[in-house]
Amino acid sequence: GQSLEQPSEVTAVEGAIVQINCTYQTSGFYGLSWYQQHDGGAPTFLSYNALDGLEETGRFSSFLSRSDSYGYLLLQELQMKDSASYFCATHGSARQLTFGSGTQLTVLP
Amino acid sequence: NAGVTQTPKFQVLKTGQSMTLQCAQDMNHNSMYWYRQDPGMGLRLIYYSASEGTTDKGEVPNGYNVSRLNKREFSLRLESAAPSQTSVYFCASSEGPGGNNIQYFGAGTRLSVL
Repeated sequence: GQSLEQPSEVTAVEGAIVQINCTYQTSGFYGLSWYQQHDGGAPTFLSYNALDGLEETGRFSSFLSRSDSYGYLLLQELQMKDSASYFCATHGSARQLTFGSGTQLTVLP
Repeated sequence: NAGVTQTPKFQVLKTGQSMTLQCAQDMNHNSMYWYRQDPGMGLRLIYYSASEGTTDKGEVPNGYNVSRLNKREFSLRLESAAPSQTSVYFCASSEGPGGNNIQYFGAGTRLSVL
């Protein structure tokens, strides 16, 4: 089976940097993705890592260490609109996703 | 740019009733997925279809059936609804193996079973 662990809540102030960690156990690993979900909304894709290292997309970066079964999402220059839930998810062979339980990020003014 | 369209958006059922949740995508994607999300939790995979003509069970398939009607459409059926199936259901699609790894989600169907 597959399982993912991530913190349930993180709070930071506007303009700050926050890191959301994710550790996973999986029987077959095809990559780690991050999704954002605002209250009442649908998940939207943020980032994907298949290989070790850092991927940068604007204010968001994602890191993966396959040997440690560990990844993180880094959000810089936090804005109020970044308040949302963030999910890490591992990919199966058909690219189906297994999600973590999510991290609720609250950005304070 | 419709993307992934789910119908209905809201539904209330009585225990034992049946219904079908509809999902269609207009991105010519090969793979489609059904997830459920319970309050305060992540999404859990119910069924998926890696390509037209194939379907496979996910993590929580019991009580559900699916049909990949054609490349565009992937429906989820509850034959005899139970209160434990009260949830938000999301359909998603992606290019699938060999393509990029982005899943695009519909707006969700909010289902209550009384």
